[in-house]
Order: sequence, then C-alpha cells, then structure tokens
Amino acid sequence: DTGVSQDPRHKITKRGQNVTFRCDPISEHNRLYWYRQTLGQGPEFLTYFQNEAQLEKSRLLSDRFSAERPKGSFSTLEIQRTEQGDSAMYLCASSPQASSNEQFFGPGTRLTVL
Amino acid sequence: AQTVTQSQPEMSVQEAETVTLSCTYDTSESNYYLFWYKQPPSRQMILVIRQEAYKQQNATENRFSVNFQKAAKSFSLKISDSQLGDTAMYFCAFMKQPQGGSEKLVFGKGTKLTVNP
Repeated sequence: DTGVSQDPRHKITKRGQNVTFRCDPISEHNRLYWYRQTLGQGPEFLTYFQNEAQLEKSRLLSDRFSAERPKGSFSTLEIQRTEQGDSAMYLCASSPQASSNEQFFGPGTRLTVL
Repeated sequence: AQTVTQSQPEMSVQEAETVTLSCTYDTSESNYYLFWYKQPPSRQMILVIRQEAYKQQNATENRFSVNFQKAAKSFSLKISDSQLGDTAMYFCAFMKQPQGGSEKLVFGKGTKLTVNP
C-alpha cells in the first residue's frame, strides 16, 4: 500500500497524559499537513511542513501541541497534558511538490481523552 | 479569512437518481481552488473533483460534475446515477492560490449523503 499511513488508528488516554501520533506520507511527497476533525465538523488545519521545515501553524495549535518532521519523511504530532477537548480525529495529508493541489489523506488517528 | 458553508447537513437519494449538494464560500481572493472531498464511513477522505477559479468551464469527473458560479461564490456538486458506494460525508473545501506558503484547505462542515437501494 503506497498511501498515507497513520499510527495508531485509535488512542484512548486519560486527561493529563501525553500522546504522540505518527504519519507516513506518500514517499515522493514533500508537503505534509495535519488537520483535526471533531464530531460533526469538517477538518481544520493545524500545521504544514515542506520537507523538514514547519512553515505554518494554526492558532488552534496551542503550546501543548508540537509537530516535527525531522528528516522530511514521516511526521509526529505530540499533545502534552491532554484535555477532554483534544478528543478528535487527527488527519494527516501529503502532496507532491509539483502540486496538482490534491492532498492525499491518511485514515486518521482517533483520540479519546477520558 | 475564508469560510465555506454547506447548508445541507444530511441528504438522501434513491439509487440511480441525481442529487445536488450545495456549497457557498466567502473570500476576497481572486485566484483560488475549490474541491469536493468524499469521506466514506470509517474510510479515508478522497478527492472527488477539483475546480480552478480562473476556469469558466465547470469540472466533470465521470458521474460527478460541479456548477461553479464565481460571482455568487457558489460551488455545488451534482452526482448522477447515484450508486450505493456514493454513501459518504461530502466536504466542500477552499484553497487560496499558493504564494510560497502552505496550500491549506478550508473545509465546510460536510453533508452526509445516503444512497438508498
């Protein structure tokens, strides 16, 4: 399978714990995006990487959130001191440099904070 | 800031019939792209169709077509000959012309489409 993959698919955690999600984009794609989708809403942009550089962050990304893409390949999204309001689906997407503007989405990681 | 509005939270259609999903958007940009994405139950989001704002001709992809009205800032999706596999959430999305920055998508809240046998 050469699509975008995300791990884990589901994560249940207790309030106050830290969690980390991983995204593996399509191999030749240098652009990577993180979105958050809450129930009944469309995805909302969180952050964007071009290669290893994080070029844009949404105001939604509080200080408790951090994202990395150290080698310009896979990316991680960490949430520290989770809150119940962090419960959502976290989606990763990638697109190629010669962009057709199409973003290819992964299956998402569903986070539940108890 | 750009906003995307989908005024139909849910719709249903009989198999083989035609359905139209509505989308309006608000922007001050003149160059941008519009998309319809499909998110089937428990499956990942996939692109259905794309429209460049500078193109007057409406995009078509097999059974899917759009009605793009730039002046009215309207971008509706028509699905012809609906199939059971079309059952999904449909999201309208906006992307402004990238200028060295990200090509982030701004999504509407979605329309849940059910195709009935």
